[in-house]
Amino acid sequence: EDKVVQSPLSLVVHEGDTVTLNCSYEVTNFRSLLWYKQEKKAPTFLFMLTSSGIEKKSGRLSSILDKKELSSILNITATQTGDSAIYLCAVERGGSEKLVFGKGTKLTVNP
Amino acid sequence: GAVVSQHPSRVICKSGTSVKIECRSLDFQATTMFWYRQFPKQSLMLMATSNEGSKATYEQGVEKDKFLINHASLTLSTLTVTSAHPEDSSFYICSALRRAYGYTFGSGTRLTVV
Repeated sequence: EDKVVQSPLSLVVHEGDTVTLNCSYEVTNFRSLLWYKQEKKAPTFLFMLTSSGIEKKSGRLSSILDKKELSSILNITATQTGDSAIYLCAVERGGSEKLVFGKGTKLTVNP
Repeated sequence: GAVVSQHPSRVICKSGTSVKIECRSLDFQATTMFWYRQFPKQSLMLMATSNEGSKATYEQGVEKDKFLINHASLTLSTLTVTSAHPEDSSFYICSALRRAYGYTFGSGTRLTVV
């Protein structure tokens, strides 16, 4: 059965801290791994990763995929209170366009 | 960009009634849309894949007669929760895939059945 596991499930930090969120997967016919940020409503897209070892960056956020270890990390540097959200990792299976989601990491950034 | 509009954002209904949720792709044609359900503190669980012009494909354990999906046009998919019960209360989200932009999600519908 396809599985996506995120850790930690919950994280509380202070503004300015750097955080690393983890995602590991066991999915048949891997196509891509995606990171989303979910605040109160729908998830918003952060990154799509298909190639191992290539870091993607967007401002203070960055992510990288390790296909050998079947995992990915999402880094957030100099965290701000606006980064507080649930971060979802999802894996797309080739041939079906379906996404398998992890349970998410709830990040709380305190001032 | 790729925008998906979902409404209503929030609905309260009586037990035994039916509720329809709409999902529209505003600036692109979506041959495939996906419907998810999310319980509190849980992840998004795929319910079904909605295909324009054909029957939806339901995930294991999802009752097709209870969650009716219609994808009558390239820009609109609807999910109807029939004979809703309190256990159907949840957050329902649709998404559509546009290859250049990845998966875009609607804003979600909070359904409360009383």
